[in-house]
This record gives sequence, structure tokens and C-alpha cells, in this order.
Amino acid sequence: LAKTTQPISMDSYEGQEVNITCSHNNIATNDYITWYQQFPSQGPRFIIQGYKTKVTNEVASLFIPADRKSSTLSLPRVSLSDTAVYYCLVVGDDKIIFGKGTRLHILP
Amino acid sequence: ETGVTQTPRHLVMGMTNKKSLKCEQHLGHNAMYWYKQSAKKPLELMFVYNFKEQTENNSVPSRFSPECPNSSHLFLHLHTLQPEDSALYLCASSQAGIERYGYTFGSGTRLTVV
Repeated sequence: LAKTTQPISMDSYEGQEVNITCSHNNIATNDYITWYQQFPSQGPRFIIQGYKTKVTNEVASLFIPADRKSSTLSLPRVSLSDTAVYYCLVVGDDKIIFGKGTRLHILP
Repeated sequence: ETGVTQTPRHLVMGMTNKKSLKCEQHLGHNAMYWYKQSAKKPLELMFVYNFKEQTENNSVPSRFSPECPNSSHLFLHLHTLQPEDSALYLCASSQAGIERYGYTFGSGTRLTVV
């Protein structure tokens, strides 16, 4: 399973754009990059997935360079309710393993 | 409502008690999972069931006993637990073989062992 590396924690302010970068140097051809969000005392929630280039949905954007060895989750105009742990995972057709994630703290 | 329902939401039990956690999914998925999340630690995968068959047991102590009677239901039977077993226990489901489509998690059971 490809290992991912992401910052342990980040702080930002309401209204700012937040970018969380994840590196996955050993990503395999069949792997997809997937991000989950977890609020305290809740299960993680799937927020976005991509294979290459850029993916955007109503929650976030995901930028993946051509070599796919890293990816950046972009959260536009964050609010206090975006305070959560964000997990970057590389997923093939096998079970997924969660790392420690990035603890994002949004300040007023 | 996430499509995966876990009961109870909170559970306090003594070390000599026997209790069970229940998970139910109505998403038509055929793979189900138990995860354990201790305070400020990553989620630890405990058990995996594909098509009702246990396909993975990540060295989980025998005081945790899973049961999967059908593809929609998953149980975790608990007995003679230790205080260090206090954690958030999460159930998840997915479509076996295409896990990249995502896991759907329940809200978890907060277990406290006293």
C-alpha cells in the first residue's frame, strides 16, 4: 500500500483558501488519490477523489501533477465548520489504510 | 443519515461485562469493516468482511469477536475488555473489489471501559 505524508496540523482563518499537500511517492498506476474529512466523534466522510490533473466538486478541489507523486486538497473560503482532520489516501482495489491525517483548525 | 447506522452511540461497560456493537448498512454494499480509533491516533483496521466472509483480522485480541450474518449487518461482540480498549469504534461499508469508490462510515460507538 502506498504511504502518504501530509502535515500533522494547520491553522487558517475564516474566509481564507486552505491548501493541504500530500506526498505519495510510491503511488501505483491503478491507484486513485482520495481525501476524507473527519469531525470529532464521527466517522470519516469521503470528500473528493482524483486520478490526475484537477477535480472539483461542491466541497473542494484536488490538484494532481503529471507525475502523481503528490496532490493538493484545496478548500475555498473556509469557515469554522471546516475544522476537522483531513486524510489523504492512495486507494487501489484493496482495503484502505488511514494515516494520521492533517488536523485543520480554522480561527475566527 | 450516512446509510451506515451504528448502535449504541455510547456504551459504558465494566471489565467483566459482555456487550455487542451493531452496524447496519442499506447501501447494497458487500464489504464491511470494523475500525478502532483511540484518542489522537490513526484509525486502526480491525476486521474485514467480504460477502459475509471474514477476510482479515489484524491481530485483534480474542476479547473482540466479530459476526457478519449477512451483507447488511455486522456485529462486534465484546467481553472481558480492558480500560485501554476505550475508544471510538467505527463501522464502514464499501463495494468489494472497487474500494476506490469510497467507504461509507457510520457515526461510531464511543466505548468506555471502567
